[in-house]
Amino acid sequence: SQQGEEDPQALSIQEGENATMNCSYKTSINNLQWYRQNSGRGLVHLILIRSNEREKHSGRLRVTLDTSKKSSSLLITASRAADTASYFCATDSGAQKLVFGQGTRLTINP
Amino acid sequence: EPEVTQTPSHQVTQMGQEVILRCVPISNHLYFYWYRQILGQKVEFLVSFYNNEISEKSEIFDDQFSVERPDGSNFTLKIRSTKLEDSAMYFCASSATGGIQPQHFGDGTRLSIL
Repeated sequence: SQQGEEDPQALSIQEGENATMNCSYKTSINNLQWYRQNSGRGLVHLILIRSNEREKHSGRLRVTLDTSKKSSSLLITASRAADTASYFCATDSGAQKLVFGQGTRLTINP
Repeated sequence: EPEVTQTPSHQVTQMGQEVILRCVPISNHLYFYWYRQILGQKVEFLVSFYNNEISEKSEIFDDQFSVERPDGSNFTLKIRSTKLEDSAMYFCASSATGGIQPQHFGDGTRLSIL
């Protein structure tokens, strides 16, 4: 399967620090997307990176993609308490379906 | 900002009963999806739908499941005869096109089978 797998499974940091989450996948992809899920809520799209892109920025978010290693990372800079959530990578092979990883549960301590 | 809405937020049903989960996708979107998330597990793709047809479905989406777009705004998931293992959060999503586009998710319906 082309499942994305995140690590770490859980991450706890102090407010203001940077948080880095990693994702690995197994097969070739069309694009990779990162989503956030607050407890009891739906998935919120954060950022999409195409397979021919290596890095993308959106506000405090920075995503990298290494297709040779089949891996991606999500960096959240200057974290805030409101960033506390689960973060998922999802791969898209172009078949109109997303394959999600297990997610990283991020806790920002005030 | 337009959003995907799902109803009900929580559905409790007896095993063997039929259940219909409802979704209103974003109005100008053309592609629709259902995913589910069993408690503590990954979000899993169920089905994608475009132009009044199923585009792709997963192994989970067996004969007990069906989808329909009964009118211009609603998109439904029906489970014909529910099983205990159908208990999960069910998420509806939509995207503007089938190309490289983000999918926009609703807040989900928590389905509890007793």
